[in-house]
Amino acid sequence: QKEVEQNSGPLSVPEGAIASLNCTYSDRGSQSFFWYRQYSGKSPELIMFIYSNGDKEDGRFTAQLNKASQYVSLLIRDSQPSDSATYLCAAYTGGFKTIFGAGTRLFVKA
Amino acid sequence: GAVVSQHPSWVICKSGTSVKIECRSLDFQATTMFWYRQFPKQSLMLMATSNEGSKATYEQGVEKDKFLINHASLTLSTLTVTSAHPEDSSFYICSAREGEAFSQPQHFGDGTRLSIL
Repeated sequence: QKEVEQNSGPLSVPEGAIASLNCTYSDRGSQSFFWYRQYSGKSPELIMFIYSNGDKEDGRFTAQLNKASQYVSLLIRDSQPSDSATYLCAAYTGGFKTIFGAGTRLFVKA
Repeated sequence: GAVVSQHPSWVICKSGTSVKIECRSLDFQATTMFWYRQFPKQSLMLMATSNEGSKATYEQGVEKDKFLINHASLTLSTLTVTSAHPEDSSFYICSAREGEAFSQPQHFGDGTRLSIL
């Protein structure tokens, strides 16, 4: 069964620090990867996606992909209390199928 | 861009009622739409996937006669919870995807909070 695994957390970081969120996936044929943020009681919103090995930066966010290790990460620089949310990692495995992880709860302490 | 509108955002109704939730892609054509439910502090659970003009594909354990899905056009999908009971109370979220390219993300609606009394 195709899976996306994330540590459920909570991950607690002080304001201004770098938050590092990690994800592994089981299907080596996964083609692209997405990070979503979900605030409590709200629906997920797309932060960024990556499909090539290496790093991709967008503002304070950097996604990293290592296909050999089947590993995806999201770094949040200069973390703010407003970044406190659950972060979902997702892998597109083809055939219209995107597999979502259960999410990591991030708590940024002011 | 890539806005998904979901209505209603909140529904409270009596047990036995049928409830229809609409999901529209406002600025793109949604080749595929997805319906999820989420209980408090739990992860997203995919209920079904639908492609425009064809029958929905339901996940194992989801009753297709209870959760009717209609993907009538490239911009509209509906989920009808038939004869709803208190155990159907949950947060229902639709999602839409444009095309088949692997780089296309799923975009989510704001969700519908369903409470059955």
